[in-house]
Amino acid sequence: QKEVEQDPGPLSVPEGAIVSLNCTYSNSAFQYFMWYRQYSRKGPELLMYTYSSGNKEDGRFTAQVDKSSKYISLFIRDSQPSDSATYLCAMSVMGNQGGKLIFGQGTELSVKP
Amino acid sequence: GAVVSQHPSRVICKSGTSVKIECRSLDFQATTMFWYRQFPKQSLMLMATSNEGSKATYEQGVEKDKFLINHASLTLSTLTVTSAHPEDSSFYICSASASGNQPQHFGDGTRLSIL
Repeated sequence: QKEVEQDPGPLSVPEGAIVSLNCTYSNSAFQYFMWYRQYSRKGPELLMYTYSSGNKEDGRFTAQVDKSSKYISLFIRDSQPSDSATYLCAMSVMGNQGGKLIFGQGTELSVKP
Repeated sequence: GAVVSQHPSRVICKSGTSVKIECRSLDFQATTMFWYRQFPKQSLMLMATSNEGSKATYEQGVEKDKFLINHASLTLSTLTVTSAHPEDSSFYICSASASGNQPQHFGDGTRLSIL
């Protein structure tokens, strides 16, 4: 079993839809949770960074962490074609100096105009 | 803020050549830098962790003599792929993290093609 599981998709939605992306994990020691967006042939771009359980909102993006269920989510409201990319969840035990990240496989999202 | 620059973005070279990739943190001091490799449609695989002024820590299965890492300053780390072969062709990405509980910020990657 992988430490972090993420459905690779692809996921296709119409413009304006609410997108829900999810990851599950098995290591209860994970404390830091991140979502990265990666466009084709580019490096990952940090979208959200959260510590422990709870919600965090930034513009159209909301990250949720449920440590009791070992489940994290990223919601994208009013999705745009420019949101089309691969979304990677990542998590680490230690936050110091970034810590070693464990990535999900990434979900490929396509937002159709 | 938190910009990481990686150079070159694309390299095509002959088998047997050594290739150096640079990773720079432009607006912060990076205590720790990381090097990843990514195959098409796959996630990032950590190759090594580099702390300024000390030897890099390599992940299991990564050849130290093949992938030389130098982290000589708080803003620069280099990865040298020595005597590259076609199987080394891949997308190499670096990341950098400042001190404290700061997340990793990634460069835009280097696409390496060995002919």
